[in-house]
Amino acid sequence: EAQVTQNPRYLITVTGKKLTVTCSQNMNHEYMSWYRQDPGLGLRQIYYSMNVEVTDKGDVPEGYKVSRKEKRNFPLILESPSPNQTSLYFCASSKSYGNTEAFFGQGTRLTVV
Amino acid sequence: ELKVEQNPLFLSMQEGKNYTIYCNYSTTSDRLYWYRQDPGKSLESLFVLLSNGAVKQEGRLMASLDTKARLSTLHITAAVHDLSATYFCAVFLQGGSEKLVFGKGTKLTVNP
Repeated sequence: EAQVTQNPRYLITVTGKKLTVTCSQNMNHEYMSWYRQDPGLGLRQIYYSMNVEVTDKGDVPEGYKVSRKEKRNFPLILESPSPNQTSLYFCASSKSYGNTEAFFGQGTRLTVV
Repeated sequence: ELKVEQNPLFLSMQEGKNYTIYCNYSTTSDRLYWYRQDPGKSLESLFVLLSNGAVKQEGRLMASLDTKARLSTLHITAAVHDLSATYFCAVFLQGGSEKLVFGKGTKLTVNP
């Protein structure tokens, strides 16, 4: 089954403790991206990747890192999480950038206390 | 900077009625997407509109794109309760910064 898988689905952590949210897709898609969703703000893009080893900042990249060492995986790293990073995070992938629909993962609800 | 505005943000309608959700965007783009999100769920792709004048229909939903007016519409015909969800439009910003920018979403509630 074609899918985008995120882990974990739910995470509560403390300020400053490094964490990684994993994202994996099995569709051989080139384009992957991370979004955060906050009430009243909609979805905002954090980082995106057009292919292996090619990443770029979205609209809200501060406090986040990503890597794309393999085509299928695009982890989101929070080196020193802060409470303002409490949010619902989505990973998405698409066959190519711009011309095709994006497939979204199930979401990761992160709470930083 | 690309801005995407949806109207209305909240919509409560009765079953059987018709309504239109509007999506305006601020810079040139010919790639627009509509997604649906149910509470607590992920986003599901509804429509991909890739050219001026594109019109797509699926069941009671029809989406169109006017790139000259920088406007997309999502028309709901004879609404049913199952259409209750939040609907997002998203516009692809091209040329150097390949980003997808979302509107804030329209929360639709269809009442019996």
